[in-house]
Amino acid sequence: LAKTTQPISMDSYEGQEVNITCSHNNIATNDYITWYQQFPSQGPRFIIQGYKTKVTNEVASLFIPADRKSSTLSLPRVSLSDTAVYYCLVGGQAGTALIFGKGTTLSVSS
Amino acid sequence: GAVVSQHPSWVICKSGTSVKIECRSLDFQATTMFWYRQFPKQSLMLMATSNEGSKATYEQGVEKDKFLINHASLTLSTLTVTSAHPEDSSFYICSAPSPTARETQYFGPGTRLLVL
Repeated sequence: LAKTTQPISMDSYEGQEVNITCSHNNIATNDYITWYQQFPSQGPRFIIQGYKTKVTNEVASLFIPADRKSSTLSLPRVSLSDTAVYYCLVGGQAGTALIFGKGTTLSVSS
Repeated sequence: GAVVSQHPSWVICKSGTSVKIECRSLDFQATTMFWYRQFPKQSLMLMATSNEGSKATYEQGVEKDKFLINHASLTLSTLTVTSAHPEDSSFYICSAPSPTARETQYFGPGTRLLVL
């Protein structure tokens, strides 16, 4: 699996847009990029997945440049409830285990 | 969306006893499930892959005789922590691959184990 690098922590205020960037220089041609969110004492929750360009859903947007060596998770107008750990994962064949990095701890303040 | 459940959500046991944790896929079948362990302030660590109809495969450093895994059916995997000790206290999470979405997994809510 491609190794990923993310900031350990980020701070934001309510209503701001938060962008978390993940580096994955060794991403393979067939790899997808997937982001998960984890609240304390809960299992991770799927947020968004993409292969290239831009993907948007009701929760977030994912921006992937043409070289796919990085990706940016964008959370619009964060609220206190967005305080969580965000994990970027790359690769892994369908049905194989996910290997988690350290993730980014996002703290949103009022 | 697909749901994975775990039972119990938390358990406290005495040192030396065994604890069984169940992981169920509620509306889909999963021939493979995964078990993770997460210590406070740390990331999830893959423990083992549970395979329906065959033996589980364990990650390096995980004792297979201590963490017994049984994939009893296409919707149920169990993790039994045998002869639990305080150092086994952790948050145990299972996951199952999405039946439809590539490289996506559904995670259970986790089980908090405290060994006294």
